[in-house]
Amino acid sequence: DSGVTQTPKHLITATGQRVTLRCSPRSGDLSVYWYQQSLDQGLQFLIQYYNGEERAKGNILERFSAQQFPDLHSELNLSSLELGDSALYFCASSAGQPNTEAFFGQGTRLTVV
Amino acid sequence: GDSVTQMEGPVTLSEEAFLTINCTYTATGYPSLFWYVQYPGEGLQLLLKATKADDKGSNKGFEATYRKETTSFHLEKGSVQVSDSAVYFCALMRQAGTALIFGKGTTLSVSS
Repeated sequence: DSGVTQTPKHLITATGQRVTLRCSPRSGDLSVYWYQQSLDQGLQFLIQYYNGEERAKGNILERFSAQQFPDLHSELNLSSLELGDSALYFCASSAGQPNTEAFFGQGTRLTVV
Repeated sequence: GDSVTQMEGPVTLSEEAFLTINCTYTATGYPSLFWYVQYPGEGLQLLLKATKADDKGSNKGFEATYRKETTSFHLEKGSVQVSDSAVYFCALMRQAGTALIFGKGTTLSVSS
């Protein structure tokens, strides 16, 4: 058990809908990262938050947004969903500098139909 | 930009065979390097890491050495087991606290 909790584990929704994925980081970790894993693109970094502030952006679509709350949990919001958004979405957390280890949750499998 | 290239899979081996999965990277500066493993239906687990040139990371019989001159971090294991069947990802982190950049992953299948 990595200590990172993601909910829900599975999500099936229709095109055009909006969903929210939730991540609780390991106790004490200030950084949260979101990744998308798909068969064709592999593991793509989406966005990072550190102690409530956006720290870095990767290949995140404008239809996607995220936030980190004062209790450090994070939510990834995906809207106007398309079939191509079907993927595994992972959250990872780390303590930040000088630590380099990131711990991953078990992921949320999103299926858009 | 920074990137990681791994050998294409799948890699299929018999139990007790020697394993090598090649990984090379492109990055400015001195990134930290990692191998993560993903078992079926699970998240990624850190397998080993190295934070500077010539460091050797090791765990559970797996080893990888950070070679700056060849920009490589190849994963090796002397004798694989069926339980090692998984997807292996090479990754780099440009500096502590930044996002990991992953290779595309290599699927390893070990048969008895």
